Amino acid sequence: DAKTTQPNSMESNEEEPVHLPCNHSTISGTDYIHWYRQLPSQGPEYVIHGLTSNVNNRMASLAIAEDRKSSTLILHRATLRDAAVYYCILRGSGSSNTGKLIFGQGTTLQVKP
Amino acid sequence: DTGVSQDPRHKITKRGQNVTFRCDPISEHNRLYWYRQTLGQGPEFLTYFQNEAQLEKSRLLSDRFSAERPKGSFSTLEIQRTEQGDSAMYLCASSLVTSGRAYYEQYFGPGTRLTVT
Repeated sequence: DAKTTQPNSMESNEEEPVHLPCNHSTISGTDYIHWYRQLPSQGPEYVIHGLTSNVNNRMASLAIAEDRKSSTLILHRATLRDAAVYYCILRGSGSSNTGKLIFGQGTTLQVKP
Repeated sequence: DTGVSQDPRHKITKRGQNVTFRCDPISEHNRLYWYRQTLGQGPEFLTYFQNEAQLEKSRLLSDRFSAERPKGSFSTLEIQRTEQGDSAMYLCASSLVTSGRAYYEQYFGPGTRLTVT
């Protein structure tokens, strides 16, 4: 699985937008870009995924660069509950793929009131 | 709550003892994954099951570790002769994978925190 690079930590103020970057220059054509987050003392939870086009869901938006070598997770209005470690992960698709997730260090997001 | 559950949530054991953890996936999810997470690190993949078949094991899973999913529902992870290096959070996740879907997310349980003294 291709490697991703994320900043170790970021800070945000409550109710402001947050842009969490991820570089994945060795991404292959069939790799999906996934974001999971892990709140303190909890297991990771799925946030969003995408392949080529930008994606929106109730939790966040995912902006994918045209060359797919980078992506940005956007939290439109950060809340204190969004303080977590955010992981950007690449994974292949389809039922024949093992589906295992290779986690890096992630970005620790601090949200200040 | 119909999410992934794990039992126990915390386990303290002495070095050399055996421990067993249980994971109950979301009902009808056919894939089940085990991960291990040490302090300050992201989770690391250990093994996964497709129904009752164990299809892949990480090199992290030494001979002292064994996992089962006997009826394709719940799973157990046993560690024999525990060592202090086994202290970690053990996470379980499940997915529903079908041939018609290109993508499937994983749903994680709260984890079992193991402390080996």
